Amino acid sequence: DVKVTQSSRYLVKRTGEKVFLECVQDMDHENMFWYRQDPGLGLRLIYFSYDVKMKEKGDIPEGYSVSREKKERFSLILESASTNQTSMYLCASSPLAGGTDTQYFGPGTRLTVL
Amino acid sequence: AQSVAQPEDQVNVAEGNPLTVKCTYSVSGNPYLFWYVQYPNRGLQFLLKYITGDNLVKGSYGFEAEFNKSQTSFHLKKPSALVSDSALYFCAVMGNTGRRALTFGSGTRLQVQP
Repeated sequence: DVKVTQSSRYLVKRTGEKVFLECVQDMDHENMFWYRQDPGLGLRLIYFSYDVKMKEKGDIPEGYSVSREKKERFSLILESASTNQTSMYLCASSPLAGGTDTQYFGPGTRLTVL
Repeated sequence: AQSVAQPEDQVNVAEGNPLTVKCTYSVSGNPYLFWYVQYPNRGLQFLLKYITGDNLVKGSYGFEAEFNKSQTSFHLKKPSALVSDSALYFCAVMGNTGRRALTFGSGTRLQVQP
């Protein structure tokens, strides 16, 4: 079974802190994605990556950056956390370039910024 | 730009009755369409997808969806609902041209009453 793990299920940070959310997949997938999930808004794409050291902006990249130094790991970075970044963050991976194959999701990290 | 509309925030159905969760989309080129389900405190799970071929797609847990190109719809259906089907359902779309990443709808909460 494909497994996507995220470093924390719950995280509480203070405004202005630098926050790292880590995602690891164990199936050698090329593609990895970061979303945030908010009630009534569904999932919104923050960043995605098709290969190591590659990244592309999604729909809401402002205030975020990403890093993919190894194929299995995709990190989301909040440079200076703000209260409006309080959300559920979901990581996903998929096996084929082009993205037509199924995305597999991690359990999510619920981030609260105080 | 691609977009997905899930017009119902919540759908209520009695156990044993058929259920439909609606989804319409807008995309450039041919669509790739997906349904995902999220159970409480869990990540998203893949249900089914339409890439090409037969308009009726069968997926996990007895769910199916029908692709209707003229109505740009991809409604999720099940002939007989179970209480355990109660969850949050997301429709997602990607076009075969342009950005190769999914756009998700806002989600529909399905409540199946015993």
